[in-house]
Amino acid sequence: GAVVSQHPSWVICKSGTSVKIECRSLDFQATTMFWYRQFPKQSLMLMATSNEGSKATYEQGVEKDKFLINHASLTLSTLTVTSAHPEDSSFYICSARGAGIETQYFGPGTRLLVL
Amino acid sequence: GENVEQHPSTLSVQEGDSAVIKCTYSDSASNYFPWYKQELGKRPQLIIDIRSNVGEKKDQRIAVTLNKTAKHFSLHITETQPEDSAVYFCAASIPSGGYQKVTFGTGTKLQVIP
Repeated sequence: GAVVSQHPSWVICKSGTSVKIECRSLDFQATTMFWYRQFPKQSLMLMATSNEGSKATYEQGVEKDKFLINHASLTLSTLTVTSAHPEDSSFYICSARGAGIETQYFGPGTRLLVL
Repeated sequence: GENVEQHPSTLSVQEGDSAVIKCTYSDSASNYFPWYKQELGKRPQLIIDIRSNVGEKKDQRIAVTLNKTAKHFSLHITETQPEDSAVYFCAASIPSGGYQKVTFGTGTKLQVIP
């Protein structure tokens, strides 16, 4: 099946630091990538959807200036948490989908802890 | 927007018994329904999916049924094994602006007791 990688898997940073998370599709071209946030024992909350070469579409309540998303190529999307604060601590998961394919394949997730 | 409800939130079964997880969705335009299994601290893994033009799909011990009229779909796991223990998420996907927007259910924690 399709493989999606995510880096880093763990981040611990000080409040005020910006953190960049990378999501890569390794064996297929991801025309669309999704970024989710998951709190402990809760479901996946979609933050934004990005199509290669265009601006991301953010879900209601998600600050686009806080969570910068770039989908510069068909295999890479990045999420930058700017000026991270403790309340941004969470599990961030990306997923990717190829053209004409409905199924999303998930990355392994990035656990962010902001001190 | 789409709303997906999932029940039960937790489910304990004896090894060998069957497990059933049910979901309902609100938007009749949803046309694709994947199910994901997520083990603790790991990524969600697709285990089965069904499209709106199909009423039932089976893959070994796992089956999914879809009732478009009632807008509900269910996951059935037969002959459960301890390794089936995980959190299961249903999802409904709807065409939106050139791509499929997926809404996830709240998850069901399945525990299979040896």
